Amino acid sequence: RKEVEQDPGPFNVPEGATVAFNCTYSNSASQSFFWYRQDCRKEPKLLMSVYSSGNEDGRFTAQLNRASQYISLLIRDSKLSDSATYLCVVNRGGATNKLIFGTGTLLAVQP
Amino acid sequence: EAGVAQSPRYKIIEKRQSVAFWCNPISGHATLYWYQQILGQGPKLLIQFQNNGVVDDSQLPKDRFSAERLKGVDSTLKIQPAKLEDSAVYLCASSLGLQIVAGGPYEQYFGPGTRLTVT
Repeated sequence: RKEVEQDPGPFNVPEGATVAFNCTYSNSASQSFFWYRQDCRKEPKLLMSVYSSGNEDGRFTAQLNRASQYISLLIRDSKLSDSATYLCVVNRGGATNKLIFGTGTLLAVQP
Repeated sequence: EAGVAQSPRYKIIEKRQSVAFWCNPISGHATLYWYQQILGQGPKLLIQFQNNGVVDDSQLPKDRFSAERLKGVDSTLKIQPAKLEDSAVYLCASSLGLQIVAGGPYEQYFGPGTRLTVT
C-alpha cells in the first residue's frame, strides 16, 4: 500500500463546476500536509497547506481529518486555468521533515 | 528573486552510460532536495541535504546514484551506469530550512527539472 493514495483521475469537469479531490495517508505520525499543483511538463508548485480547522484561499478549500487520515481539496467555480495535476503531500516529520508525494489527480476543465 | 536553476534541461543517453545533473538553489536556502519523478507518478525523494550534510538518502540507489553538495550551495547528482528505468524527470528543490510552510519564506521551491531519457 502506498503511503499517500490519490485517485489519479482524470476528472473532466465543465467551467464553473465544483470539484473535490480526496487523499488518504497511512502514517499516523505525519505532521503536516499540503496540496501542490503541477502543470503539464512543469515543476510542482505549492498550492496551500492543509489544517484540521480547514483553510480557504479564494476558490480553493482544503481540509484535514486526522482521525480518518484523510485530506481533501475543493475547487469552486472551476476555471480553464485550473487544469493541472494536483498532488497530495504529507510531511512525515521527524528529524528530516521528509515530504511524501501522492501520484497526483489530473483535472481537466472543459469550456 | 532568482529561482532554482537546473541544467541540462534535457538529456538522452544510452543504457550503461553515465550522466550528471547540476542544481543551484535559491540563495540562502540551507535545504536542498533531489527528487525523481517517473511519468504518471509523484516526485520521490532521492536525497536531502541540510547545508553540505546529508539528512536523508534512504531511497537513493547507492550502487549507481551519487550526489554531493559542494560547500553547501550547488549540488550535482550522478548516475553511473544508467538503466532504462532511470528515465524520468529529476527535480531539484530548495527551502530555507527543514520546516516547510505554504505562503511564507519557508516554502519549498522546485527547479524546472532535467528530463532524462535512457535508450
